[in-house]
Amino acid sequence: NAGVTQTPKFQVLKTGQSMTLQCAQDMNHNSMYWYRQDPGMGLRLIYYSASEGTTDKGEVPNGYNVSRLNKREFSLRLESAAPSQTSVYFCASESQISYEQYFGPGTRLTVT
Amino acid sequence: GIQVEQSPPDLILQEGANSTLRCNFSDSVNNLQWFHQNPWGQLINLFYIPSGTKQNGRLSATTVATERYSLLYISSSQTTDSGVYFCAVGLNQFYFGTGTSLTVIP
Repeated sequence: NAGVTQTPKFQVLKTGQSMTLQCAQDMNHNSMYWYRQDPGMGLRLIYYSASEGTTDKGEVPNGYNVSRLNKREFSLRLESAAPSQTSVYFCASESQISYEQYFGPGTRLTVT
Repeated sequence: GIQVEQSPPDLILQEGANSTLRCNFSDSVNNLQWFHQNPWGQLINLFYIPSGTKQNGRLSATTVATERYSLLYISSSQTTDSGVYFCAVGLNQFYFGTGTSLTVIP
């Protein structure tokens, strides 16, 4: 039981490049989330998916797209990376029984 | 969105001391959770507590939803308690506070 996994752990991009961050959970949770964490700040929600086939914008969705590929996987895509997207990105899933959120280890992204 | 304020922003404790962390929020919510982010960046869920009181070992939490605040109590602190404690609240989506950075010194 791996919980929530994220790939890659680290990534450096040049301005304008694109990439996809991958997230998977093996806890059979319906809801999944993508957050970003900037230095000295709390987490801010980018997008979330309440169930397979649905996605909704969070607090800071501009510059990102998401895909809920199936119940296990929720990916985050940066189409044209900008230095303002330098951050640590966390994926989470939520138990429909306890409502607790479980986080992946994070992806540290630097855009130069 | 919902405003979440945590206090104090920083806290330094001697090992064995007790502490209280506070979370105030600006609107009615149906979900409130406390998280610990360890020095390596991993986020761990401590409590799901939209109302009432819960205890887990040396940690306990109380939420008074009608007055829009929650408290996290840490007793007999240990060096492994160091890190940042976040409160997150919401309805359909979560809003995080900026955290309380706790350092426990031996």
